[in-house]
Amino acid sequence: AQKVTQTQTSISVVEKTTVTMDCVYETRDSSYFLFWYKQTASGEIVFLIRQDSYKKENATVGHYSLNFQKPKSSIGLIITATQIEDSAVYFCAMSPTNYNQGKLIFGQGTKLSIKP
Amino acid sequence: GPKVLQIPSHQIIDMGQMVTLNCDPVSNHLYFYWYKQILGQQMEFLVNFYNGKVMEKSKLFKDQFSVERPDGSYFTLKIQPTALEDSAVYFCASSLVRVNTEVFFGKGTRLTVV
Repeated sequence: AQKVTQTQTSISVVEKTTVTMDCVYETRDSSYFLFWYKQTASGEIVFLIRQDSYKKENATVGHYSLNFQKPKSSIGLIITATQIEDSAVYFCAMSPTNYNQGKLIFGQGTKLSIKP
Repeated sequence: GPKVLQIPSHQIIDMGQMVTLNCDPVSNHLYFYWYKQILGQQMEFLVNFYNGKVMEKSKLFKDQFSVERPDGSYFTLKIQPTALEDSAVYFCASSLVRVNTEVFFGKGTRLTVV
């Protein structure tokens, strides 16, 4: 069965530091996409970054980067130079096939709190 | 950026009644989705819709659920009749194409069945 697991329920860090959020997934598909989204306090769900399973290099967008460890089925999100506005719930997600990318399997979410 | 709008943001309904959740997807998008999130749990895929048809649905998409987008208007999720376990936040999403694309989400409609 396909599954995405985020074991960290909540994380709290001081502003301007680096934070890493963990995510592991299960799939039998040979090709898949991995995503990170954040849900803000207002409820808005924002796409952050994506990793294609066939790419070895880790994706980077702005101050978001990924630590993709395919043998471990792991896709960690790294946020550098955190800001107060990064406080949100972060969801890891997987699209198990490459034909319907909108069918996402989500993890349980990690609540990130950034303190001044 | 592009926005998916969901109306209403919160709806309370008596068990057994019908409810319709409305979604205004991004204007040029062609693929539409509904997700369900029970409080404290992850979002779960319900259904996706394209060209007037359901493309794929999950086991959560019960027989009491239906979706449509008549004449390019709102993309709707109808539940008839509602049950207590239907209480959740329902998220609508849309995308321009099926692969290699960003999926945009609305802010959700919180449905409370009493």
